Amino acid sequence: EAQVTQNPRYLITVTGKKLTVTCSQNMNHEYMSWYRQDPGLGLRQIYYSMNVEVTDKGDVPEGYKVSRKEKRNFPLILESPSPNQTSLYFCASSFMGFTLSYNEQFFGPGTRLTVL
Amino acid sequence: QQQVKQSPQSLIVQKGGISIINCAYENTAFDYFPWYQQFPGKGPALLIAIRPDVSEKKEGRFTISFNKSAKQFSLHIMDSQPGDSATYFCAARGVSKNTGANSKLTFGKGITLSVRP
Repeated sequence: EAQVTQNPRYLITVTGKKLTVTCSQNMNHEYMSWYRQDPGLGLRQIYYSMNVEVTDKGDVPEGYKVSRKEKRNFPLILESPSPNQTSLYFCASSFMGFTLSYNEQFFGPGTRLTVL
Repeated sequence: QQQVKQSPQSLIVQKGGISIINCAYENTAFDYFPWYQQFPGKGPALLIAIRPDVSEKKEGRFTISFNKSAKQFSLHIMDSQPGDSATYFCAARGVSKNTGANSKLTFGKGITLSVRP
């Protein structure tokens, strides 16, 4: 089954304790992205990657890191989490859009993070 | 600066009615306009999408109307059903300022649709 998986689905942690949220896709997509969803703010892009070893900042990258060492995996790293990073996080992937063909982004099930 | 604005913020419709959600954008370089549907506890999923060279696209009960000159597009849900109750996001795809590739989706804030039985 074609899918994007995220782990963990739920996480409660304390301020300053490093954590990693994993994301994996099995569709051979070049493009992967992390979003956070907050009430009243919609989906905001954190980081994205267009291929292995190619990553770039989205709209709200502060406090986050990513890496893309393999095509299928795109982990999100919070080196020193703070309470304002409490949010619902989504990983998404798609084929690349160099043409006007449709580029459906497939989203994972989400990770609900609470930082105390 | 919010590049994609949705309205209304929430919508309540009776079963069988028409739900209309509007979206306005600012960047004329956007080249792809999808609508995503999200049910509670799930990730967003693509519902329907349109390119700017087309004025309307219909898939079943869902229609996108696109007005390039006004920089607006809307989602129409005909014969709305309680199962359509969800959060709807419009989005627009643009060019990454760092890479030049058409890959970045900018989302609106989302609207919650409730369809009453």
